[in-house]
Amino acid sequence: EVQLVESGGGLVKPGGSLRLSCAASGFTFTNAWMSWVRQAPGKGLEWVGHIKRKIDGETIDYTAPVKGRFTISRDDSENTLYLQMKSLRTEDTAVYYCATVGPGYGSGSYCFDYWGQGTLVSVSS
Amino acid sequence: QSALTQPPSASGSPGQSVTISCTGTSSDVDDYNYVAWYQFHPGKAPKLMIYEVSKRPSGVPDRFSGSKSGNTASLTVSGLRAEDEAEYYCSSYAGSNNWVFGGGTKLTVL
Repeated sequence: EVQLVESGGGLVKPGGSLRLSCAASGFTFTNAWMSWVRQAPGKGLEWVGHIKRKIDGETIDYTAPVKGRFTISRDDSENTLYLQMKSLRTEDTAVYYCATVGPGYGSGSYCFDYWGQGTLVSVSS
Repeated sequence: QSALTQPPSASGSPGQSVTISCTGTSSDVDDYNYVAWYQFHPGKAPKLMIYEVSKRPSGVPDRFSGSKSGNTASLTVSGLRAEDEAEYYCSSYAGSNNWVFGGGTKLTVL
């Protein structure tokens, strides 16, 4: 059974930093593209970014509002995905989900096949 | 404001059918057959229900179906059941390693 478990959320002041983790199990993590998706309170979903698998160059893409502030990485030896967030703003307050995406696992399509339950990040003074 | 537009709510009685729309642009929904739908139940991990406009992952009941016309995609739930009450989101690939989502539709089973 695929499991994605996010951790690391919490309350942080504007300008602060936080690192989220996503522990994966139940599938071959090295085969999967992985992504972060967030949902601000009362809002829709927003794709944050993704990292491809090693054989696809581990290339990373981000949505414009987080470029230069957020960094996605992965540790295939630990089956873990990370999201390092810096210079946090109040508008970054959201539940952050990790999900598998794209080719390599699941449907093999350009969608988000498996999701975690999310971790809440609150940015407030 | 979300990139894809969904109605905030939809409802139907048990056994009925309900359709939820997802309107995008010529750069996403109209340009790619990579529209997907997700079911969000409180306290549970979101679940992929439809991908590539109309394909169902293994285990998703055939009561769920998807379609697309131009820049609008639709999710139809037939034979509504109480457990279908949830929030539904659409997504579309938008090219250049970019995805967009809808604002979500709360489906109520009356």
